[in-house]
Amino acid sequence: GESVGLHLPTLSVQEGDNSIINCAYSNSASDYFIWYKQESGKGPQFIIDIRSNMDKRQGQRVTVLLNKTVKHLSLQIAATQPGDSAVYFCAENDPYNAGNMLTFGGGTRLMVKP
Amino acid sequence: DTEVTQTPKHLVMGMTNKKSLKCEQHMGHRAMYWYKQKAKKPPELMFVYSYEKLSINESVPSRFSPECPNSSLLNLHLHALQPEDSALYLCASSQDPDRDTGELFFGEGSRLTVL
Repeated sequence: GESVGLHLPTLSVQEGDNSIINCAYSNSASDYFIWYKQESGKGPQFIIDIRSNMDKRQGQRVTVLLNKTVKHLSLQIAATQPGDSAVYFCAENDPYNAGNMLTFGGGTRLMVKP
Repeated sequence: DTEVTQTPKHLVMGMTNKKSLKCEQHMGHRAMYWYKQKAKKPPELMFVYSYEKLSINESVPSRFSPECPNSSLLNLHLHALQPEDSALYLCASSQDPDRDTGELFFGEGSRLTVL
């Protein structure tokens, strides 16, 4: 079936550098995407979302880019901090699914080196 | 701090036991969800409740039995589980079941170990 996936399982960056986490999706009908951060022993925490009628959205230190042509989603974190160390999941919603059902990608572990 | 509260945080049970996981939210959300998450894997949807009614069951075995007593509470009753059911069970809620999209708010999860 169609699914959301990630290119890199682990990303290691130096503190202060920018991080880019990528996600490929295959369901062209998906119209809503979310990035979640999950720290060890905790539940997923919302970071930022984007709808398919947009190609970029910015939050505090984070930017999500959506390229519908190649079905690619990325999360950019500026000035990465040790507290950003976590697993990051992208998730998509197919409007043809009943209600609000998110399908999660495989996850990328971000490790920030001091 | 999350506004979705799950209890217990940890649970160890034998295969013949009956136990329950509980979830509570007071944000006025009308959709609640159970997800299962194995180690180093993404969350997988199990059940969705919309307006206190079960709307989606993702082919979950009957040894997992969800219950939504009211709009703030969601339970997951466990009976005759298998060791492979050991996982982190996440509860989530969202504001409006009639919306196609929207943020899910997750609890911290209940870590279940089946011996």
